[in-house]
Amino acid sequence: DSGVTQTPKHLITATGQRVTLRCSPRSGDLSVYWYQQSLDQGLQFLIQYYNGEERAKGNILERFSAQQFPDLHSELNLSSLELGDSALYFCASSVYSGDYNEQFFGPGTRLTVL
Amino acid sequence: QQQVKQSPQSLIVQKGGISIINCAYENTAFDYFPWYQQFPGKGPALLIAIRPDVSEKKEGRFTISFNKSAKQFSLHIMDSQPGDSATYFCAASYSGSARQLTFGSGTQLTVLP
Repeated sequence: DSGVTQTPKHLITATGQRVTLRCSPRSGDLSVYWYQQSLDQGLQFLIQYYNGEERAKGNILERFSAQQFPDLHSELNLSSLELGDSALYFCASSVYSGDYNEQFFGPGTRLTVL
Repeated sequence: QQQVKQSPQSLIVQKGGISIINCAYENTAFDYFPWYQQFPGKGPALLIAIRPDVSEKKEGRFTISFNKSAKQFSLHIMDSQPGDSATYFCAASYSGSARQLTFGSGTQLTVLP
């Protein structure tokens, strides 16, 4: 158990809908990362937050957005869903200090768009 | 742009054998190179990591070899066990403000009993 929790574990929805994925980082970790894992694209970085502020953006679609709250949990919002958005979405957290960059991944949320 | 290339895509090894997975990177600004292990239905789990100031790091049966001039690094699993059967990902990141991981495409390892 990495200490990172993600809810829900599975999500099935229809095209055009909007969903919210939730992540709670390990105790003490200030940084949260979101990654998408699909068969054709592999594991890809979406977005990073540090202590409530956006720190880096990767291949995140404009239909997707995220935020990190004062209690450090994070939410990834996916809207106007398309079939191609079906994937595993992982959240990772890290201490993010100095040279230390160990990222610990949650169990993921499997999103199925029908 | 694929910045981290991983091979082979799949690997079958006999129990007790050595499993070797290779990765090559392009961006010389990368300075942190972890390996992750992922079992079906689970999130990636950090296995071992190395920084470019050392050429080798060993933790138990797992060893990372790093060749900075060639921009390559590899994972060696000694005495491979059926329980090691999983997908392995190499990755790379910077130590600057943006520390996201850039992953290789993964290697599916099967260790036969």
